[in-house]
Order: sequence, then structure tokens, then C-alpha cells
Amino acid sequence: GQSLEQPSEVTAVEGAIVQINCTYQTSGFYGLSWYQQHDGGAPTFLSYNALDGLEETGRFSSFLSRSDSYGYLLLQELQMKDSASYFCAVRDSGTYKYIFGTGTRLKVLA
Amino acid sequence: GAVVSQHPSRVICKSGTSVKIECRSLDFQATTMFWYRQFPKQSLMLMATSNEGSKATYEQGVEKDKFLINHASLTLSTLTVTSAHPEDSSFYICSAKSSGLAGGLGTDTQYFGPGTRLTVL
Repeated sequence: GQSLEQPSEVTAVEGAIVQINCTYQTSGFYGLSWYQQHDGGAPTFLSYNALDGLEETGRFSSFLSRSDSYGYLLLQELQMKDSASYFCAVRDSGTYKYIFGTGTRLKVLA
Repeated sequence: GAVVSQHPSRVICKSGTSVKIECRSLDFQATTMFWYRQFPKQSLMLMATSNEGSKATYEQGVEKDKFLINHASLTLSTLTVTSAHPEDSSFYICSAKSSGLAGGLGTDTQYFGPGTRLTVL
């Protein structure tokens, strides 16, 4: 079967750095994406990794290791507004379907 | 750019009625749109892939006769929940896949609508 596993919850303080891991097992792979979702809202795109390595976008960075079927989202200089759920997602290479991870709820404390 | 709208944002209906949800890509054409359902504190579950001008592809376990999808144009897909029951109450989210012409984020970005919260009494 296809699955993407993430930690269910992570807690950190303002200004800290947090890493959210994602391990995946899928029949096809076309890249790993990360989305942020605040309570009651829709997911918003954060980053996308098609190749191994680190992609940096402001305070957020995302890493991918295809050989390990593993990626992570790194959030630096945490702010209260970063409190949200974060989902990794893999696009199936045969179709354009996206499979979402279990989601990680990040709580940022003052 | 790359804005997706959904209407309505919230709907409350009686059991047995049908509800139509619209998903529009406002500033780009989307040959493919996706419909997801999300229960509280859970992940997004893909229901179906909607392709313009052809029948939708439903995920295993999703009743195509209950969740009718129509993608009549390159900017509009609709999901109709027929004979809704309380267990259909959920957050329904659509997304549209960029063809790479909008947003500058490449060809593998989904843009999500704001979602529709359906409550069936």
C-alpha cells in the first residue's frame, strides 16, 4: 500500500528551530511537497522537492533523500503564526494524484 | 495569481437533500482538479480526480453515484453530494493543478480552494 508517515504532534517555543519528518512508501514518486494548514482553512503550498537535497525558501527549508524515501521540513525562527498542521504529499508518477501524509500538528509556545 | 475559489464556504442541509459545491480556478486553466474530504484532525483523503471533458476518476471506496463530479470547463468543476446523510458531514476541499503558466512555481503545484464545510442534520 501507499503511505506517508509523519509525527502526529510537535511542540516548540518561539524562535526555535523544528524539523518535521516524512517517510513515504509509494508505488510511484514524482516529488515531495509540503503544505501548511491552519485550523478551519485550506492547505497552502510551502515547498516542493523533486531531487535530493535541500530547498530553502525564507524561514522554511525542505529536504529530500529519494534513496531513503525520506524528507523533512525545517522551520526556523518559529513564530506563533506557524502553529498549524503540516502535511507532506507525494505525487504519483503515473497519474497526477497526490497522496497526503498523516499530518503533523505544530504548536508554538510563547 | 493561481487562485482557486469554492462556493459555498459553509452549508447546512437536511438529511436526504443534495448539495452542490463549485470549484473555480480564477486566473488559470485547470485541466485537472481534485476533490478531497477531510474529517476533523485528520489528513486529506482524495475522493476523485476531475478531468475537463471526461468522466471523473474515483478513488476506491468512494461512491460515484453519491458524489457526482462534473468538470464542464477548464475553470469549473462541481461536486454534488446526493441524498446527503449526517455521515457525509465533512470539510470538502478542491484543488487545481497548475499547468506551469501561473504562479511561477512550476508544474507540480496544487492550488487549493478555501474549502466547504458541509453539515448534514
